[in-house]
Amino acid sequence: EAGVAQSPRYKIIEKRQSVAFWCNPISGHATLYWYQQILGQGPKLLIQFQNNGVVDDSQLPKDRFSAERLKGVDSTLKIQPAKLEDSAVYLCASSLEGAQFFGPGTRLTVL
Amino acid sequence: GNSVTQMEGPVTLSEEAFLTINCTYTATGYPSLFWYVQYPGEGLQLLLKATKADDKGSNKGFEATYRKETTSFHLEKGSVQVSDSAVYFCARSLGANSKLTFGKGITLSVRP
Repeated sequence: EAGVAQSPRYKIIEKRQSVAFWCNPISGHATLYWYQQILGQGPKLLIQFQNNGVVDDSQLPKDRFSAERLKGVDSTLKIQPAKLEDSAVYLCASSLEGAQFFGPGTRLTVL
Repeated sequence: GNSVTQMEGPVTLSEEAFLTINCTYTATGYPSLFWYVQYPGEGLQLLLKATKADDKGSNKGFEATYRKETTSFHLEKGSVQVSDSAVYFCARSLGANSKLTFGKGITLSVRP
């Protein structure tokens, strides 16, 4: 069974630029999550989808971050414009029931 | 509030030593508890889980018991190997498809 796929693996941008991350969850997993992991900390939830609907986006900085899962499968997370403090690893996870399975993450560096 | 607290790290052990990594949680209701591991250069992997009080999760020689009376889920292994060197995260969720709340993680280094 293929795992959660993410791309790109690494991205370096300058502040005020835009960036987008892509996630393809495990086939059949209805729930998809985006987490932000800042160096030295545990991951923190940004947004959770159930199929193509948003379940929880209370911690998403909506002035600059957006995410969508239009067809209930793939998802994209966008940052526009990026700030220095957005430097982190962005993790996508999916679940069917119970445990979440994580992708390899995208490491974002904002200069 | 709802949170997960892990002991401060890093931890350095010699091969075959006994390992304990402490984790405590606060939560309303009855959370599920997890340990995730992140090996160097890899993504987060589920190591073990427990979904109700007194459950014991186990995998790869690691064990953790869900202790409701002490709100703890300490990770143990009787004899660590160099290949266990990684970052370990304790986490909890409040339902089957609820978000995970993670601790800060702790880096374990095992010397030959």
